[in-house]
Amino acid sequence: ILNVEQSPQSLHVQEGDSTNFTCSFPSSNFYALHWYRWETAKSPEALFVMTLNGDEKKKGRISATLNTKEGYSYLYIKGSQPEDSATYLCAFPHYGGSQGNLIFGKGTKLSVKP
Amino acid sequence: DSGVTQTPKHLITATGQRVTLRCSPRSGDLSVYWYQQSLDQGLQFLIQYYNGEERAKGNILERFSAQQFPDLHSELNLSSLELGDSALYFCASSVGLENQPQHFGDGTRLSIL
Repeated sequence: ILNVEQSPQSLHVQEGDSTNFTCSFPSSNFYALHWYRWETAKSPEALFVMTLNGDEKKKGRISATLNTKEGYSYLYIKGSQPEDSATYLCAFPHYGGSQGNLIFGKGTKLSVKP
Repeated sequence: DSGVTQTPKHLITATGQRVTLRCSPRSGDLSVYWYQQSLDQGLQFLIQYYNGEERAKGNILERFSAQQFPDLHSELNLSSLELGDSALYFCASSVGLENQPQHFGDGTRLSIL
């Protein structure tokens, strides 16, 4: 059974702090790694889809890196703001080629205090 | 606004009943996905359709079925409902089958009494 692990489960930081968290996934038969942000009472919002080893993607103050050989991805948030408070999910497609059957991690819940 | 529309937003019904959840994907998206989020569980993939055809199946119960219509909207049918079916059901869509981001609707909260 494929497993996607995220750590830590939760994180509390002060406004202005930079933070990062980890997603671990099976390194064999890699196709893609997705990151989503899920704010409370809203729906998950796509951040990045990463496909190449060594990939680095950036969206504003949020960036992500990918290591497919060792099976991990890091998400970084620079200068956290209260509006960054959300659960960050990573997901790994179970079937090659088609992205059907995304296996989601349980997420890292980030709380940013003003 | 993701462009994915789900109706209804809330549904309250009793055990043994049958309900239909509806999803309209973003304009131009051919793939539709259904997910279930139960209490203390992560997002669980149920089923995917692409351009009207079933593409991938996850942990979907036999009491549940789905279809995608020619206009690309999709319906998830849940029958013989049990208390444990109470959950938030999300629909998501993407352009095609390649590794593209999925765009989620706001979900339908189903409560079984």
